[in-house]
Amino acid sequence: GAGVSQSPSNKVTEKGKDVELRCDPISGHTALYWYRQSLGQGLEFLIYFQGNSAPDKSGLPSDRFSAERTGGSVSTLTIQRTQQEDSAVYLCASSPRQEIYEQYFGPGTRLTVT
Amino acid sequence: GNSVTQMEGPVTLSEEAFLTINCTYTATGYPSLFWYVQYPGEGLQLLLKATKADDKGSNKGFEATYRKETTSFHLEKGSVQVSDSAVYFCALSHGSGGSNYKLTFGKGTLLTVNP
Repeated sequence: GAGVSQSPSNKVTEKGKDVELRCDPISGHTALYWYRQSLGQGLEFLIYFQGNSAPDKSGLPSDRFSAERTGGSVSTLTIQRTQQEDSAVYLCASSPRQEIYEQYFGPGTRLTVT
Repeated sequence: GNSVTQMEGPVTLSEEAFLTINCTYTATGYPSLFWYVQYPGEGLQLLLKATKADDKGSNKGFEATYRKETTSFHLEKGSVQVSDSAVYFCALSHGSGGSNYKLTFGKGTLLTVNP
């Protein structure tokens, strides 16, 4: 079946612009996670969704970052007023209720802020 | 808080050599432990897992044993192949707030296997 998809695969933006990154989880997966992979910080957790609610936003690095999930499916991560330190690969993962330990990762969105 | 420390490498081996990548963790209670692999140009994939002390996770010839006494989860393979060349990440998950199993990752270890 279809895996986790993310779009765009690559995004180059100018400093100060807003960007939206999209994640389509595997159908029926109730849990959704966003992570960030950067050279300096490695892989870091950003936010967790269960259904449409986000009970854990503890990894969002600043109030410029926000995310939402609609219909228990698609999620959008928005970064406002992008900075160069936001450059990273943003990864999305989803997990089914019956396999709580198994997270299926998407291919990621590589964000470059110039 | 939770943390994972793994051998950063890079590690370069010849085909059929023995592989060990060390991983230790810090966490309260009993986390679940994982090894993820990222092949060139591909996304992260779960390689193996162990959810309680003394469990051994295994897959594709790789093994790791959850050692509570040494807080370790070292990855081993008896005979590596060129196709094993990838970045390997050790991770832990500590269920918090119900069904939140967010992962805490190590920095990753780049493995290159030469023919």
